[in-house]
Amino acid sequence: GESVGLHLPTLSVQEGDNSIINCAYSNSASDYFIWYKQESGKGPQFIIDIRSNMDKRQGQRVTVLLNKTVKHLSLQIAATQPGDSAVYFCAENRADGGFKTIFGAGTRLFVKA
Amino acid sequence: EPEVTQTPSHQVTQMGQEVILRCVPISNHLYFYWYRQILGQKVEFLVSFYNNEISEKSEIFDDQFSVERPDGSNFTLKIRSTKLEDSAMYFCASTLGQGRSYNSPLHFGNGTRLTVT
Repeated sequence: GESVGLHLPTLSVQEGDNSIINCAYSNSASDYFIWYKQESGKGPQFIIDIRSNMDKRQGQRVTVLLNKTVKHLSLQIAATQPGDSAVYFCAENRADGGFKTIFGAGTRLFVKA
Repeated sequence: EPEVTQTPSHQVTQMGQEVILRCVPISNHLYFYWYRQILGQKVEFLVSFYNNEISEKSEIFDDQFSVERPDGSNFTLKIRSTKLEDSAMYFCASTLGQGRSYNSPLHFGNGTRLTVT
């Protein structure tokens, strides 16, 4: 079946360190992947995306890595700041044209000052 | 930057009552969605809407749920007879494109917290 999940429910990092949040997906038909950040009391906010024809994409302080062989997605945050504290979700779109984005379970990131 | 707006931010209703949650998607977006999030859990897909009709819906979206785009700007979710288990955050989202030919990320509103008593 289709599912997008996360290895760790919580991650605690020191301010200034790099953070790595992991995600496993099971649907080989997925061709578009997105990372969202959700702060308390707010809706998910787009961070970065990647298409299945790529294995790496960089943004400002964030990098997404895609390993299609093992169906693994990761989000790297450089120089983590207190404002990065939030829940992070990976999500996927299927390549069969389905009109929905499926979310994983989420990882809560705590940044220690 | 344009944003998705949702009203009300919090709705309290009694079991069995009808509720309508309202959303104004980003004006040039073509695809509209409702998701829900039960406290502390993941974001669950309910329904997608394109070209004035439902494109896809989940098992959660049963006959008690309906969506409507009554005019060129609003997108509503109606729950006909609320149950206790409908208590959750409901998020509206929109995007410019989705599907085999073109994908873009969803833009979410800040949600409506529905409490059914």
